[in-house]
Amino acid sequence: EAGVVQSPRYKIIEKKQPVAFWCNPISGHNTLYWYRQNLGQGPELLIRYENEEAVDDSQLPKDRFSAERLKGVDSTLKIQPAELGDSAVYLCASSLGWTINEQYFGPGTRLTVT
Amino acid sequence: AQSVTQLDSQVPVFEEAPVELRCNYSSSVSVYLFWYVQYPNQGLQLLLKYLSGSTLVESINGFEAEFNKSQTSFHLRKPSVHISDTAEYFCAVRDTGTASKLTFGTGTRLQVTL
Repeated sequence: EAGVVQSPRYKIIEKKQPVAFWCNPISGHNTLYWYRQNLGQGPELLIRYENEEAVDDSQLPKDRFSAERLKGVDSTLKIQPAELGDSAVYLCASSLGWTINEQYFGPGTRLTVT
Repeated sequence: AQSVTQLDSQVPVFEEAPVELRCNYSSSVSVYLFWYVQYPNQGLQLLLKYLSGSTLVESINGFEAEFNKSQTSFHLRKPSVHISDTAEYFCAVRDTGTASKLTFGTGTRLQVTL
């Protein structure tokens, strides 16, 4: 069974440029999460999807961040424009439902904003 | 809101020695507790979890953790570590409420050497 796929793995951009990250969850997993992991910190939830609906986006900086999950499968997280403080690893995870089921994480996208 | 404290950012240990990685949490309600492991250039993987029942939980690769409600702790232990256990370990907590999110600690880097 394929795991959670993320691309790109690494991205270097200049500040004020846009950037997008893509995630393909495990087949059949209806719950998808985007986390941000700053250097030396644990992951922090940005947004959670149940199928195509964003049910928890309280931590998503909506002035510059946006996300979508069309058709309830793949998801894209976008930053526009990027700031220096956005440098971090962006993790995608998926699970079978939202209760106590295990979250499976992708390898992440390491973003460096210069 | 819940929080997690991992006081040790790094734990160096020799191969075949025992190790304990400390985790303390704070929550006003009942919790679920998790340990995740992150190997270099890989996503987080669930190592073990406490949901209910026996306070001692074990993983398939020899780690164990004990839920101590009175001390609000969930320390991770292994009696004899291997070089391959070198990784970042994250403790996480979630309130048992259905709308609760997973909160991670800052991680502990376990470095096993010969």
